[in-house]
Order: sequence, then structure tokens, then C-alpha cells
Amino acid sequence: DQQVKQNSPSLSVQEGRISILNCDYTNSMFDYFLWYKKYPAEGPTFLISISSIKDKNEDGRFTVFLNKSAKHLSLHIVPSQPGDSAVYFCAASVNSGYALNFGKGTSLLVTP
Amino acid sequence: DSGVTQTPKHLITATGQRVTLRCSPRSGDLSVYWYQQSLDQGLQFLIQYYNGEERAKGNILERFSAQQFPDLHSELNLSSLELGDSALYFCASSARDYRAGGRGNYGYTFGSGTRLTVV
Repeated sequence: DQQVKQNSPSLSVQEGRISILNCDYTNSMFDYFLWYKKYPAEGPTFLISISSIKDKNEDGRFTVFLNKSAKHLSLHIVPSQPGDSAVYFCAASVNSGYALNFGKGTSLLVTP
Repeated sequence: DSGVTQTPKHLITATGQRVTLRCSPRSGDLSVYWYQQSLDQGLQFLIQYYNGEERAKGNILERFSAQQFPDLHSELNLSSLELGDSALYFCASSARDYRAGGRGNYGYTFGSGTRLTVV
């Protein structure tokens, strides 16, 4: 049962524009959410996180928004750069606990 | 280099066989997590060890087992392999056992994975 869903397998955005990656979850017990970025032949690397007590967290070009009532979070990348082209995974956990529940990922392509 | 070392990088084996995947965590990290990424699937949590003890289990098959040794490296043993076991297997480490993700000492750091192909 997939508790974290990324319904868009791929996204293509022009350099300089905004990239918006979406994620939905079903488990209302999740209280910590993260985004990971993955390049081919590498492991996922942590990008940004947000706890359920917040609705927004910003780190440079990356902003994560959390809408708890809709069980939805999104990652905004502004401005998008070609080096941002990668697979982005949304993940969630309960009580900042042991295991992360991952979505299937969204492949982002930023074109010059 | 993330500091988490996984060997081998690639493994091809036949159905019914047994393999061992190895993970050396980042220096100072006590927790090791194993994840499986099958084709078109997200990363599925398998199992976690903290300082040699099993801490949490996810969707790990009975044919799979793991352990963490006194030097903190971990091994994931996969036996009676089936075609469906073909996947990327990731190991991650963190300094503590109760935090997931995040920055600094609380972060998960992933290795680059072992690609297992069962033929």
C-alpha cells in the first residue's frame, strides 16, 4: 500500500522558470516530510524537510509547502537550473521515526 | 562520496542462489538502514539496525536477513533468489536511531547502491 504518492512520473521545465513537484500522502500520522534528489548511479541525497507544525520551509532556491488538511506537499524550485535535472523523491515518517516512506519519484528535466 | 560505502556495485546471479550485500556506514554513524528500489517503485524500507541491534522491520521477506557487526558495518543476505528480487538495494546510515532524514547529525546518508540482477 503506497502511503506516499507522486502522481507525476516526469516534469519538464525551462531553465529560469519555476519547477513544482507534488506529493500526496494518505497516513495522517506522518509528521515529518522530506525531499530527496537522486542522480543516476548515485544514492538519494537529502534536499529539504518540513515538520508538520509548519506549512512552509525555505532553503535557497528550494521551498517546501505542506497542506495538512489536503495531505499534500509540494517542492518549488525557483529558478530552475539544468543541474536540477534529477529524480526527486518525496518521503514521510511518523514521529520522526525509524523508517521513511518514499514515493516513486518524479523525474525533472530542466532544459536550457 | 557520501561516506556510506556499498559493495559490490553490481551483482548478477541466478535464481535460487544466495548473495550478500555489504554496507559500511559513515564514520560515527550507529544506525544502518536497508532499502529496496524495484523497477518503477519508490524506495521500500527493509530493516534498520542500531549499534548492532535490530530496531525496525519493514517489508522484508523471510528469505532476506541482515545483521550489523561490532565494527558497525552491515550485511544484507538474500537467499533463494527470484527474478522479482532484481532491484537496487540502498544502504543508509545516520548518527541516531530515532530521527529520519534532516540535516547535520540527524541526517540519513545514502550509499550509491548495489544493483542486483537475478537471471
